[in-house]
Amino acid sequence: QKEVEQDPGPLSVPEGAIVSLNCTYSNSAFQYFMWYRQYSRKGPELLMYTYSSGNKEDGRFTAQVDKSSKYISLFIRDSQPSDSATYLCAMSEGSDYKLSFGAGTTVTVRA
Amino acid sequence: DAGITQSPRHKVTETGTPVTLRCHQTENHRYMYWYRQDPGHGLRLIHYSYGVKDTDKGEVSDGYSVSRSKTEDFLLTLESATSSQTSVYFCAISFGLIDVYTEAFFGQGTRLTVV
Repeated sequence: QKEVEQDPGPLSVPEGAIVSLNCTYSNSAFQYFMWYRQYSRKGPELLMYTYSSGNKEDGRFTAQVDKSSKYISLFIRDSQPSDSATYLCAMSEGSDYKLSFGAGTTVTVRA
Repeated sequence: DAGITQSPRHKVTETGTPVTLRCHQTENHRYMYWYRQDPGHGLRLIHYSYGVKDTDKGEVSDGYSVSRSKTEDFLLTLESATSSQTSVYFCAISFGLIDVYTEAFFGQGTRLTVV
């Protein structure tokens, strides 16, 4: 069983819809949680970072972490075609970037 | 792309040959990482470095070695390439440890095919 599970999708939504992504994990030592966005043939780029449990909002993006359930989520409101990408969850036990990644969810936002 | 250059960007090599991938940064960041990305697995950590000549193994280090003789360069060597090492390799750098002011920046990736 993988440490981090993420539904690979693909997920296709109409423009303006809310995109909901999630990951589950098995390692209770994870403390740092991130979401990365990766466009085709590019490297991942950081979208959201959360330490421990709680919610964080940044513009159209909201990240949630529930450590008791070992479950993290990313919501994208008012989705745009430019949000079409692969979204990867990542997490770390310690404060370095030795990250454990989910497999990634491919999202397409239809105009 | 945060001053990270990976070379080569694409490579096809034969089974059993040694291959070296280079990650070069102009940011003077202390920490450097090598990941590989495969369908269904996301990214997996191969090796990392906390400074010059300070390296350690990651989750999938078998068959790989690294060297960091200068702050700006982190080399990944496949000692004897196998088909299972066909992958996209990403280098990442970070100034420091995880906090709200620090993030890891990823390079553009090297697409390696072992035939």
